[in-house]
Amino acid sequence: QVQLVQSGAEVKKPGASVKVSCKASGYTFSEYYMHWVRQAPGQGLEWMGWINPNTGVTDYAQKFQGRVTMTRDTSISTAYMELNRLTSDDTAVYYCTRETAGDYWGQGTLVTVSS
Amino acid sequence: EIVMTQTPLSLSVVPGQPASISCKSSQSLFYSDGKTYLYWYLQRPGQPPQLLIREGSMRISGVPDRFSGSGSGTDFTLKISRVEAEDVGTYYCMHSIHIKEFGQGTKVEL
Repeated sequence: QVQLVQSGAEVKKPGASVKVSCKASGYTFSEYYMHWVRQAPGQGLEWMGWINPNTGVTDYAQKFQGRVTMTRDTSISTAYMELNRLTSDDTAVYYCTRETAGDYWGQGTLVTVSS
Repeated sequence: EIVMTQTPLSLSVVPGQPASISCKSSQSLFYSDGKTYLYWYLQRPGQPPQLLIREGSMRISGVPDRFSGSGSGTDFTLKISRVEAEDVGTYYCMHSIHIKEFGQGTKVEL
């Protein structure tokens, strides 16, 4: 069965960076785009961008351009999302989700930014 | 940017009764490839979102048939024919025309 398993919770200081991983199993990793979506506490869903695991091509939401980097390691079927220059507004649960429709989601990774 | 507007933002439901959520987009979600890029999700508390409906009206395998999606262009509706207790949570619509944008969410409570 398809599974997306994300890395554990992180606590970061303002100005730091965080890198969240998403390990895929149960399907051919390179055949489906991976999207990243975040959700601040008590708030709605916010799309951050996608990566094509086959080519490495990415597309980021305008809001995050220059601050986010999505990468992948096809040898271990894992996608990564790195967010730089963190502020308290980046405190959120970060999800990886498969393909445009978001048919499968990771369990979420809580990133807390606090001094 | 396409603005997605859901109504209502909160909904109190009675088990066994129908429920309906509206999602309006500021631009048509009908794309040149003939598909309509509108999706519906349910997020139960503490859980990631779950895909219910894709491309406006295609119910995902395993989703109970009491859920249905309809609409076209800019106006879409998610209907629950007979609400069950497990349907409680927040429902989101989303478009994926070039980028993804979500509606504000509709919180459904018993």
